Amino acid sequence: GAGVSQTPSNKVTEKGKYVELRCDPISGHTALYWYRQSLGQGPEFLIYFQGTGAADDSGLPNDRFFAVRPEGSVSTLKIQRTERGDSAVYLCASSLIRGYEQFFGPGTRLTVL
Amino acid sequence: GESVGLHLPTLSVQEGDNSIINCAYSNSASDYFIWYKQESGKGPQFIIDIRSNMDKRQGQRVTVLLNKTVKHLSLQIAATQPGDSAVYFCAENMRRANFGNEKLTFGTGTRLTIIP
Repeated sequence: GAGVSQTPSNKVTEKGKYVELRCDPISGHTALYWYRQSLGQGPEFLIYFQGTGAADDSGLPNDRFFAVRPEGSVSTLKIQRTERGDSAVYLCASSLIRGYEQFFGPGTRLTVL
Repeated sequence: GESVGLHLPTLSVQEGDNSIINCAYSNSASDYFIWYKQESGKGPQFIIDIRSNMDKRQGQRVTVLLNKTVKHLSLQIAATQPGDSAVYFCAENMRRANFGNEKLTFGTGTRLTIIP
């Protein structure tokens, strides 16, 4: 079956712009996670949704970052006033229910010029 | 804060030989550990996991060992193949210690290269 998909695969933007990154989880998966991966590093947790609600957003670096999952399926990570330091691969993962194996998408590579 | 780290950033192994990738963790409250494989341009792929009430778990060609006394985790890959070349991450989770906390904490990763 289809895995986790993320769009776009690549996004280049200018400093100060607003971007939206989309994640389509595996159908039926109730838990959804966002991670950020800088070059040469392991993924770093950003936020976790259980259904429509953000159960843990402790990893969001500041208030420029926000994520939604209005219908409990697709999620959008939104970054306002992008900075060069936001450049990274943004990974999305989903799991059937909380505590089960997390399946990762291919990521969106964000480059802020 | 707590972190998961790796001893070696790179490892080269002859095809057909066994490989061992090591990982040290610092949070004694962690009770669930996972190894992921990440190929270039792809997201991490689950390999094997182990809970803190176990010392060893085996999968197909892979074995994970957990030493809670020294907070050390290792991944053994038997009879390595070219397709095993990738970056390997260990990750930890503290589900029991903080129920509902589902975030994974990843290490930096080890790049494994299989030499034909």
